[in-house]
Amino acid sequence: KAGVTQTPRYLIKTRGQQVTLSCSPISGHRSVSWYQQTPGQGLQFLFEYFSETQRNKGNFPGRFSGRQFSNSRSEMNVSTLELGDSALYLCASSSSTGIGGGELFFGEGSRLTVL
Amino acid sequence: KNEVEQSPQNLTAQEGEFITINCSYSVGISALHWLQQHPGGGIVSLFMLSSGKKKHGRLIATINIQEKHSSLHITASHPRDSAVYICAPRGGNQFYFGTGTSLTVIP
Repeated sequence: KAGVTQTPRYLIKTRGQQVTLSCSPISGHRSVSWYQQTPGQGLQFLFEYFSETQRNKGNFPGRFSGRQFSNSRSEMNVSTLELGDSALYLCASSSSTGIGGGELFFGEGSRLTVL
Repeated sequence: KNEVEQSPQNLTAQEGEFITINCSYSVGISALHWLQQHPGGGIVSLFMLSSGKKKHGRLIATINIQEKHSSLHITASHPRDSAVYICAPRGGNQFYFGTGTSLTVIP
């Protein structure tokens, strides 16, 4: 069974640009969540999608958005990039439908550098 | 405001030692995850707990919901256990994360 696939793995952007990251969950998983990891702030929760609906959202500005498609693949978008958006962006999928969530399966991440 | 406190931040152990990592949290939770991250970034979920104790091989995780405290134990530690261990309580609509414990196991 294929794992969680994130693309691209690495990318470099300049301030003011926008970026779209993609996440393909494990087959059959309908929940996808996104996280930002930086050396200063550690891991932070961005948002969670289930069956194409955003179920939960972390404390990030509106420049950070996401969506989920009918095949459960998810994308996140960051507009008007800032230097502080440089980070490792991780997504995780889960088979759970419950409020407590279930075991998380992480992708390798997309490392974004903003110059 | 830190909703999650992990200790210790750094830990060096000799191979074979018993290791304990602690996690205290201040929010009401529905579940708590223990994550492992090796150098290079990949994160693996070790446990998801909502009560009691779970064991997987040499790893044991416990949680006390009333005291808002969880521990991760590694028995007979091995150099391949060297990684960062992160406590992640899930409460309501949010995931919270500890700053991680960096473990180095010396042969």
